[in-house]
Amino acid sequence: DVKVTQSSRYLVKRTGEKVFLECVQDMDHENMFWYRQDPGLGLRLIYFSYDVKMKEKGDIPEGYSVSREKKERFSLILESASTNQTSMYLCASSPSRRAYNEQFFGPGTRLTVL
Amino acid sequence: DQQVKQNSPSLSVQEGRISILNCDYTNSMFDYFLWYKKYPAEGPTFLISISSIKDKNEDGRFTVFLNKSAKHLSLHIVPSQPGDSAVYFCAAHTGTASKLTFGTGTRLQVTL
Repeated sequence: DVKVTQSSRYLVKRTGEKVFLECVQDMDHENMFWYRQDPGLGLRLIYFSYDVKMKEKGDIPEGYSVSREKKERFSLILESASTNQTSMYLCASSPSRRAYNEQFFGPGTRLTVL
Repeated sequence: DQQVKQNSPSLSVQEGRISILNCDYTNSMFDYFLWYKKYPAEGPTFLISISSIKDKNEDGRFTVFLNKSAKHLSLHIVPSQPGDSAVYFCAAHTGTASKLTFGTGTRLQVTL
């Protein structure tokens, strides 16, 4: 079974803090993704990565950055958290960029920025 | 610009009846369509998919229909069970990027 784990289920931070969300997958997948889920807006792609040390912007990258130093780990960074970044953050991975394949999701991190 | 739309935010169906969830899209380059199911406090899980070269795919109680000319797909669940109560997202895949574009979700409530 593919397993995607996220470092925290719930996180509370203050405005202006630097926030790190970690995601690890154990199936040697090439692709990793970060989404946020908000009511009425569905899942929106923040950043994704096809390989170590590479990243691509998704649909809503503003205010976020990412890091992929190892194949199994993909980190989402909020440089200076703001209240509008309060959301559910979901990490996903998929095997290969060469063909269609489904994405496998982690359990999510509910982030609250006060 | 919302390329994948689920116009019904919620749906309530009686146990044993058919649930029909709808999804519309605008991008004709989408080549695969997927449905994901999400329970509260869990990540989405893959349910069923369909290639753009097909018009129907069936897996047990779940069937997905694709109407390319109308840019519309639907998920049929029959018979509906209380455990099917969840939020359902449709998603569309573009072949060159391995990205998924998700809809806004439909919350299905199956009542006894």
